Amino acid sequence: ILNVEQSPQSLHVQEGDSTNFTCSFPSSNFYALHWYRWETAKSPEALFVMTLNGDEKKKGRISATLNTKEGYSYLYIKGSQPEDSATYLCAFWKGGSEKLVFGKGTKLTVNP
Amino acid sequence: GAGVSQSPSNKVTEKGKDVELRCDPISGHTALYWYRQSLGQGLEFLIYFQGNSAPDKSGLPSDRFSAERTGGSVSTLTIQRTQQEDSAVYLCASSPAYDFTYEQYFGPGTRLTVT
Repeated sequence: ILNVEQSPQSLHVQEGDSTNFTCSFPSSNFYALHWYRWETAKSPEALFVMTLNGDEKKKGRISATLNTKEGYSYLYIKGSQPEDSATYLCAFWKGGSEKLVFGKGTKLTVNP
Repeated sequence: GAGVSQSPSNKVTEKGKDVELRCDPISGHTALYWYRQSLGQGLEFLIYFQGNSAPDKSGLPSDRFSAERTGGSVSTLTIQRTQQEDSAVYLCASSPAYDFTYEQYFGPGTRLTVT
């Protein structure tokens, strides 16, 4: 069974706070790691696709890092805004597998 | 350009009825994926298409589920004799190729409620 774990399950922060959450995945036979943002009543939207150990990607105030040897990725949000409120999903592709395996997500609420 | 669309957005059906869910992928995307999210669970992979072909149907939860794709474009997911445990949000996604180094483009989903 391929497990992708995300923590915390939910998070409440104040506007302006910086925050981060974790995605853990099996470290063997790594191929790719995806991050998506899913706002209520909208479609999940891709943030990053990461394939190399040590990868760091950035989009505006959001960035992500990847450690394939220890099997984790961090997503960082700098200066959170209410519009960042969403569920953040990570998904793992293991070599030889025909599918992405998603975690249950981290639900972020940013209070004004 | 147009994104992935799904219809209907909401479907309420009685137990035992058949339902058909539709997905229109981004034009030119050869890969298409179906997922579902049940309450409290992560996204569960159901099936993928490369063009019109679905090489692996083992992710479908039961033989009441079937999917097809025609013309390399529109896909339908059919659930026969619906059960209450089929209640979930069904998401469709597409990507330029069947390669998970590409990001997936998701539709807004169909919320299915079986009463």
